[in-house]
Amino acid sequence: ELKVEQNPLFLSMQEGKNYTIYCNYSTTSDRLYWYRQDPGKSLESLFVLLSNGAVKQEGRLMASLDTKARLSTLHITAAVHDLSATYFCAVDMNQGAQKLVFGQGTRLTINP
Amino acid sequence: GAGVSQSPSNKVTEKGKDVELRCDPISGHTALYWYRQSLGQGLEFLIYFQGNSAPDKSGLPSDRFSAERTGGSVSTLTIQRTQQEDSAVYLCASTPTSGSSGAYEQYFGPGTRLTVT
Repeated sequence: ELKVEQNPLFLSMQEGKNYTIYCNYSTTSDRLYWYRQDPGKSLESLFVLLSNGAVKQEGRLMASLDTKARLSTLHITAAVHDLSATYFCAVDMNQGAQKLVFGQGTRLTINP
Repeated sequence: GAGVSQSPSNKVTEKGKDVELRCDPISGHTALYWYRQSLGQGLEFLIYFQGNSAPDKSGLPSDRFSAERTGGSVSTLTIQRTQQEDSAVYLCASTPTSGSSGAYEQYFGPGTRLTVT
């Protein structure tokens, strides 16, 4: 059974700081997704990582995938308040149907 | 263009009643997914439709849950004899296609918040 674990689950940080959210998964997969969720809202796609060594960047967020270590990271550079949200990673069960198994989510709070 | 839409946005029902939740995917998207988000269980896959193929129901928690997709577009998730543990946000997502040859981000709808009293 595929399990996805995020670390940390809660993160409070100051504006301007850097930090990394980790996503570990238990079985082989080369498809990993990062989503953002604001309170009371649905999921917004951030990144789709499809191969070992994939790195994608958008603004202050950068995601990477190491399929051998079964690890993805979401790095936040010089955080700003607008990035406060819950971030989910999700792994494709790799059965061709893109059924996603989600991590628990990391609730990120960025303080001015 | 229009995104994934879901209705109702909120539903309060009494224990034991049946409910129907609707999802209207992005036009032209052939794959449709239902997920459930609850405090205790996080985000869980429920069911998946791809074109006219038989749905993958492997995530449905019990036989009280069923779903249909008519004409390859709109989908309805039905929960019979609702229980309090069914209270959650039910999310629908669609993608242009699926399969081992490609991977596409899933576009999520706003969700239906179901409360069973």
